[in-house]
Amino acid sequence: DGGITQSPKYLFRKEGQNVTLSCEQNLNHDAMYWYRQDPGQGLRLIYYSQIVNDFQKGDIAEGYSVSREKKESFPLTVTSAQKNPTAFYLCASSSAGALPGELFFGEGSRLTVL
Amino acid sequence: KQEVTQIPAALSVPEGENLVLNCSFTDSAIYNLQWFRQDPGKGLTSLLLIQSSQREQTSGRLNASLDKSSGRSTLYIAASQPGDSATYLCAVPYYNQGGKLIFGQGTELSVKP
Repeated sequence: DGGITQSPKYLFRKEGQNVTLSCEQNLNHDAMYWYRQDPGQGLRLIYYSQIVNDFQKGDIAEGYSVSREKKESFPLTVTSAQKNPTAFYLCASSSAGALPGELFFGEGSRLTVL
Repeated sequence: KQEVTQIPAALSVPEGENLVLNCSFTDSAIYNLQWFRQDPGKGLTSLLLIQSSQREQTSGRLNASLDKSSGRSTLYIAASQPGDSATYLCAVPYYNQGGKLIFGQGTELSVKP
């Protein structure tokens, strides 16, 4: 089945640790996105990539890093510099890189900092 | 700066009722508008995508309309069912900035049996 797979579904991290969230898509989409969702704040864009080996910062990129070495994969690293990393993280993809196309989401990863 | 607003934040209706969810945006120069559904603890499911040249888009019991001039979109749900209970979000793209979306806060819908 075509879709977006995020892993792990739940992740616990100690303060000071870096963690990496995986996002894989088999939809042959050019563009991929990472959003963060907090209660009462809606979804906010962290990073996005419209093509392999290229990515741009979104509205809240500080404390996060990404890579886009393969079309199918867009991992997000939450670094120790992120002050409040506990949140629900959503990965998305769309077929039209430069033009706004329909966005499809994965099931999300919930990160909790202990 | 584009802002997206959804009112009401929460809505509770009895089963079988027809209902309308509202979405407003401040900049009418949008490329398209997308409606999503989110179940608790889950990702977003795309419901309908309306292009700027369209007025309406339909999928089953769902009908979405778009009025760019007034900065509004509505999602109409016919004959609501308990399974429709979820949070509904609308989103518009940053104009000329690819597929980045600006989301509303969502309307949490509860359909009572």
